[in-house]
Amino acid sequence: QSVLTQPPSASGTPGQRVTISCSGSSSNIGSNYVYWYQQLPGMAPKLLIYRNNQRPSGVPDRFSGSKSGTSASLAISGLRSEDEADYYCAAWDDSLIAPGVFGTGTKVTVL
Amino acid sequence: EVQLVESGGGLVQPGGSLRLSCAASGFTFTDYSMNWVRQAPGKGLEWVSYISRSDGTIYYADFVKGRFTISRDNAKSSLYLQMNSLGAEDTAVYYCARDVSLDYWGQGTLVTVSS
Repeated sequence: QSVLTQPPSASGTPGQRVTISCSGSSSNIGSNYVYWYQQLPGMAPKLLIYRNNQRPSGVPDRFSGSKSGTSASLAISGLRSEDEADYYCAAWDDSLIAPGVFGTGTKVTVL
Repeated sequence: EVQLVESGGGLVQPGGSLRLSCAASGFTFTDYSMNWVRQAPGKGLEWVSYISRSDGTIYYADFVKGRFTISRDNAKSSLYLQMNSLGAEDTAVYYCARDVSLDYWGQGTLVTVSS
């Protein structure tokens, strides 16, 4: 059911910068806001970025989001061990095959 | 503190029904739309259903249309998901989440469809 495409994995050493891409279409990313979620092992997802590039209170500024056309990306700078998690992008979809659509998910590993 | 607590999950036979509940607290329930999102074991997230603040707008994913019904009781600050004609493919942890941004999530309730 995933309509947004993400790389399955990404990795980096502590302190490095990691970028995760999210590719969609004109009916979702192209015409709606993008959201990013972090899911730690065994936990519920947590909102990381909303409205393309806004951080909720409490989310470190090491996390940043951007959007261009039908693609978006999440950047994690100053990578830390606690950033090891699954990351999902999401967007509402005007085609209404679902209320919204998620990305395929990216597992970030801190080496 | 915002809290969302799901309940009602469990083991159900194929073709059976289940009703999930989500009790909300720590915010004004009527100010927010609500959602159900699911995650099959070892898999990614799937948006299941959305309901607006006043029930006026409801959306379902194609894979649950005609089988699942979302509802809310604003007087009880509660969200519900009635699930009928369940199949093995519906086995998942079901989360309720607040707002179009899914800014807060519950801990999830596991639904297992198996004979």
